[in-house]
Amino acid sequence: EAQVTQNPRYLITVTGKKLTVTCSQNMNHEYMSWYRQDPGLGLRQIYYSMNVEVTDKGDVPEGYKVSRKEKRNFPLILESPSPNQTSLYFCASRTQGVEQYFGPGTRLTVT
Amino acid sequence: AQSVAQPEDQVNVAEGNPLTVKCTYSVSGNPYLFWYVQYPNRGLQFLLKYITGDNLVKGSYGFEAEFNKSQTSFHLKKPSALVSDSALYFCAVLTGTASKLTFGTGTRLQVTL
Repeated sequence: EAQVTQNPRYLITVTGKKLTVTCSQNMNHEYMSWYRQDPGLGLRQIYYSMNVEVTDKGDVPEGYKVSRKEKRNFPLILESPSPNQTSLYFCASRTQGVEQYFGPGTRLTVT
Repeated sequence: AQSVAQPEDQVNVAEGNPLTVKCTYSVSGNPYLFWYVQYPNRGLQFLLKYITGDNLVKGSYGFEAEFNKSQTSFHLKKPSALVSDSALYFCAVLTGTASKLTFGTGTRLQVTL
């Protein structure tokens, strides 16, 4: 089954404690992205990747890092999380011009 | 820069009535346009897309959308709404040369009996 998986689905952490949210897709897609969803703001892109070792900033990249060492994986790293990064995060993948497939989401709370 | 506007935060419709969720876009170049739906506590699901060809696009769950180049719009429609259609709907745009899919802020559709 074609899918995008994210882990963990729920995470509660404290300010400053480094965390990683994993994302994996099994469709051999070139493009992968991370979004955050906040009420009234819709989905805002954090980072995207056009292929292995090729990443670029989206609309709200501050406080986040990503890497794309393998085509299927695109982890999101928060080196020093802060409360304003409390949000619902989605990973997504697509191939050129085709619809984007979304993961189930990770709800992050930073206290 | 590309952008998408969804002018209505919420749309209320009675079951059985037609529904329209509005979307306008701004891009340089030819747009690829998409609609996604998000049910409570779920991820986003693809509904339909316009790439080229017929301006009326049909998608999942009986939804359709009309591409209007002169008005730069891509409104989502359904002839007869169901209570189960109640969800958050997102319009998105991509240009052929862009690597970034830009989303609107979303419209909450509420269908009541």
